[in-house]
Formats: sequence, C-alpha cells, structure tokens
Amino acid sequence: QVQLQESGPGLVKPSETLSLSCTVSGGSINNYYWSWIRQPPGRGLEWIGYIYYTGSTNYNPSLKSRVTMSVDTSKNHFSLKLNSVTAADTAVYYCARVYYETSGSDAFDVWGQGTMITVSS
Amino acid sequence: QSVLTQPPSVSAAPGQKVTISCSGSSSNIGKNYVSWYQQLPGTAPKLLIYENNKRPSGIPDRFSGSKSGTSATLGITGLQTGDEADYYCGTWESSLSAGMVFGRGTKLTVV
Repeated sequence: QVQLQESGPGLVKPSETLSLSCTVSGGSINNYYWSWIRQPPGRGLEWIGYIYYTGSTNYNPSLKSRVTMSVDTSKNHFSLKLNSVTAADTAVYYCARVYYETSGSDAFDVWGQGTMITVSS
Repeated sequence: QSVLTQPPSVSAAPGQKVTISCSGSSSNIGKNYVSWYQQLPGTAPKLLIYENNKRPSGIPDRFSGSKSGTSATLGITGLQTGDEADYYCGTWESSLSAGMVFGRGTKLTVV
C-alpha cells in the first residue's frame, strides 16, 4: 500500500521561498508521475504541477514563474519550491500520485494527508 | 474562477439517490476524461471515479460516474450519513492554459 507523507515548515514569511518534500513509502517512485495540489482554507483544490520520476515537469501556467519541482529516486521522494510567497499562498499542500493510462486520463489515486502552510510575518 | 462548474450544495435523505453535475467545455471535459474526489471533513481528497466511470478498488458500486459531451455527473445511491462530504470533479484542460483543473466542489448534506 503506497503512502505519501508531506513535510514542511508550517510557517513561511512573505517574499520568501516555500519548500516542501513528499516521501513515498510502500512502493517505488519510479514509473509514475507525481503532483502537488493545494487547497486554501475553506476553498477548492488547485493543481500546482507534475513531475515524472525522470525529472520532467509540467506546471500550472498561473504558478509556473514561481514553481520548481524536483525528484530524488534514490531517496524515493520529490519536492516543491514556491518562491516569492504571499498570503494568497496560504493553504493545505497535498502531494499525490498520478494515475495516467493515456493522454487526458489523469487522476490522483494516492494522496498524502496534507500539510498546512501559513504565509505570515 | 474555476473552468468547471459544480452546484455549491446538494442534499438528500438517507437511502435516497443524489447526482452532482460538473459542466465544462470542449477544451476540457469535451476532450478528456473526468475524475471525481470525495473529501470528508478535515481529510485529504479520495479518488472515487476515474476515466469518467471507473471505480478504484475498494470504492462501492453505490458511486457511479458518467460523461456526455462537455458535462459529467457523479451519482450516489443508498445515501449514508457517512457520505456527507465535499465532492470535486477534475479533468485536463487542453487549451493554451493547459493543466489539471477542478470544479469548486459540491457540499453533500444527508438529512
């Protein structure tokens, strides 16, 4: 049973860089796409981007200029960096595994429990 | 502002059936598969339906999905109080602003 666990600082100051990590246990990170999704308090889900185990990425166009994702297959984890954060980036951040069978079939079949990130001075 | 439109809320009595709609366009639902997620209060979303109408292992057949044109529907029969949750639809957006998109979510109340 694959499980995902996010880890992060909890609190980030405005204009600084948010850094999160997601550890994959119970399975391999290889041969899958992995994703970050966030949810502001009381609001809906927002897709941040994908990373393939090879390192190739695809980001939400609205966040692309501030997002960097990376993967470390030796440690079975992947990471998110979001720079120049503002209060609007306050949210629960989830990592998720991507189900992908064919073009346009994307779905998120395994989720981490989420980690709350607050942007405040 | 979401590109997928869901009703903010639906309600039904225990044992009854409810449907939740998700309306999009030719560049998202019209071209790609739809997935549905259940988010119980204080928990992470859970995949209920993928590729329009397929259920992951462990999801009961009370949950069903369908798609027609640029709209999709999630159906839940035999409603239980434990089904009270937020439900989200998602799909790939194939326009210039390509990426995964979600509806704003529908709050299901079982009364």
